[in-house]
Amino acid sequence: KAGVTQTPRYLIKTRGQQVTLSCSPISGHRSVSWYQQTPGQGLQFLFEYFSETQRNKGNFPGRFSGRQFSNSRSEMNVSTLELGDSALYLCASSELAGRTDTQYFGPGTRLTVL
Amino acid sequence: AQSVTQLGSHVSVSEGALVLLRCNYSSSVPPYLFWYVQYPNQGLQLLLKYTTGATLVKGINGFEAEFKKSETSFHLTKPSAHMSDAAEYFCAVTTPNSGNTPLVFGKGTRLSVIA
Repeated sequence: KAGVTQTPRYLIKTRGQQVTLSCSPISGHRSVSWYQQTPGQGLQFLFEYFSETQRNKGNFPGRFSGRQFSNSRSEMNVSTLELGDSALYLCASSELAGRTDTQYFGPGTRLTVL
Repeated sequence: AQSVTQLGSHVSVSEGALVLLRCNYSSSVPPYLFWYVQYPNQGLQLLLKYTTGATLVKGINGFEAEFKKSETSFHLTKPSAHMSDAAEYFCAVTTPNSGNTPLVFGKGTRLSVIA
């Protein structure tokens, strides 16, 4: 099976712009989670989707949003970008909902905000 | 609330030496524990996980970890380091039946292997 794919791999934006990142889970996986990774804060949970429903959301401002489509593909959107949003955004998929099922990670999208 | 502490943000070992990466967790109920590895410019790859049963867990690439409830630890070891083991390692914790609590990661330990 193909692994988790994320597009684009690299992105450069300027402050105030918005950005959309895409994640395609492993075939058959219905749960998708998003994480932000920065040198200072480490890996922080953004949100989890299962069967097109958001099941859980981390402690991030409303500028961060996401959705999941019927084919389990997911997108996350960040509006009004700030310098501090520069990070590696990782997507992970699993067969089942919840944290106890093994999550498989994609290579990430590295976002740079200038 | 759950938390993970990884002692040592950077560990350096010689090739062929023992690798020991420390992870302590905090959880009010029996946890599920994971170790992930991240190579440069890549996502995270699962090394091993502990859910229930045998406390010594064997993973990929010769790594293993032992769940010690009394010490709230889940240290990662490998008998003999290889150059290809140089990467960042993350310990993570969650608990079953804990509602919507997400997977919680430690800050990571960067492993360097010296020839």
